[in-house]
Amino acid sequence: KAGVTQTPRYLIKTRGQQVTLSCSPISGHRSVSWYQQTPGQGLQFLFEYFSETQRNKGNFPGRFSGRQFSNSRSEMNVSTLELGDSALYLCASSIFGRNEQFFGPGTRLTVL
Amino acid sequence: AQKVTQAQTEISVVEKEDVTLDCVYETRDTTYYLFWYKQPPSGELVFLIRRNSFDEQNEISGRYSWNFQKSTSSFNFTITASQVVDSAVYFCALSEGVDYKLSFGAGTTVTVRA
Repeated sequence: KAGVTQTPRYLIKTRGQQVTLSCSPISGHRSVSWYQQTPGQGLQFLFEYFSETQRNKGNFPGRFSGRQFSNSRSEMNVSTLELGDSALYLCASSIFGRNEQFFGPGTRLTVL
Repeated sequence: AQKVTQAQTEISVVEKEDVTLDCVYETRDTTYYLFWYKQPPSGELVFLIRRNSFDEQNEISGRYSWNFQKSTSSFNFTITASQVVDSAVYFCALSEGVDYKLSFGAGTTVTVRA
């Protein structure tokens, strides 16, 4: 079974731009979560989606948003990029009823 | 407040030595889950184990073993006879109740030297 896939793997943007990251969960997994990893703040939860509904949201500004499609694929969007948004963005998926999460390889975003 | 504390920032050992990683958690929920993940240099977080708050039975899986003690709010992880391939950052994490949100510790970098 294929793992969680994320595209693109690397991205370079400039301040003020917006970016969209994509995540395809493991087949059959309906819950998708997003995390931000930075050297200073570590791994922080962004949001979680299940059946196209956001079930939980972390403590991030409204510039960070996401959505999930009917096929469970998910996207996250960051608008008006700031230098501090440079990070590894990790997507994880879970099967219904079990909360162990399986992570993708991440998208490394650099904001210049 | 930090929910998961990994006091060890870095551990360096020689191959075949045992390594124990400490994890202390904090929660008011009676139902919670504890996890260990491994992050090799490639960056992808690899799931190692999940434990729920009602199961304090310790577990051994190959060279890995876990010691869960509710009395001290600890969930420690031991690698026996370490190998160079074990070099990675190891994260302890907590989810509470029916929440899927993971709260991670700061991670412990393990370096195994040949």
